[in-house]
Amino acid sequence: GDSVTQMEGPVTLSEEAFLTINCTYTATGYPSLFWYVQYPGEGLQLLLKATKADDKGSNKGFEATYRKETTSFHLEKGSVQVSDSAVYFCALGNPYTGANSKLTFGKGITLSVRP
Amino acid sequence: NAGVTQTPKFQVLKTGQSMTLQCAQDMNHNSMYWYRQDPGMGLRLIYYSASEGTTDKGEVPNGYNVSRLNKREFSLRLESAAPSQTSVYFCASKGGSGGAYEQYFGPGTRLTVT
Repeated sequence: GDSVTQMEGPVTLSEEAFLTINCTYTATGYPSLFWYVQYPGEGLQLLLKATKADDKGSNKGFEATYRKETTSFHLEKGSVQVSDSAVYFCALGNPYTGANSKLTFGKGITLSVRP
Repeated sequence: NAGVTQTPKFQVLKTGQSMTLQCAQDMNHNSMYWYRQDPGMGLRLIYYSASEGTTDKGEVPNGYNVSRLNKREFSLRLESAAPSQTSVYFCASKGGSGGAYEQYFGPGTRLTVT
């Protein structure tokens, strides 16, 4: 079945540091890939997505490129801010399951950015 | 547009009590989902509804029931709460039927079972 593996956390960085959060996946066919962010006490919200190989999703300074050859969708940001402190989830949506399509989530990683 | 709303935001139950978590969306989405979030476990799907009138089990359905009341509303019921059901519960909805469509999440219900 489909699965998503995220790097172990938590991650603590200083403000303005470079961020990489690794995400790899296993799926049949050509899934769509998502990064969700969860700020403290809130629900998940979509950060960015990519629906086909070599697509780059970007939002709020974050980027991720859909790499089919390495089955990866790593999240990057060049300069993190304290306000980026949150839990980040990588997720996969498989188009081949049609109306019953569900998202498969990774376990999430907590990012803390210190001033 | 309120998006996805959930009630209540917090709840404390005693073992054996029952309750229903309510979820509603105003985006005219066909698909709705219930997840639970536990530390170190990520999000796990409890039940989902691909369209009005249909429901299906997810990864962890035991101890729960759902009702898709209409296109807007999808409720989750705990018939006899257990401490293992202490968790944060999220409802989500999705507009399209394919895997490329993102899900929209509610703010969550924090449930404690003592």
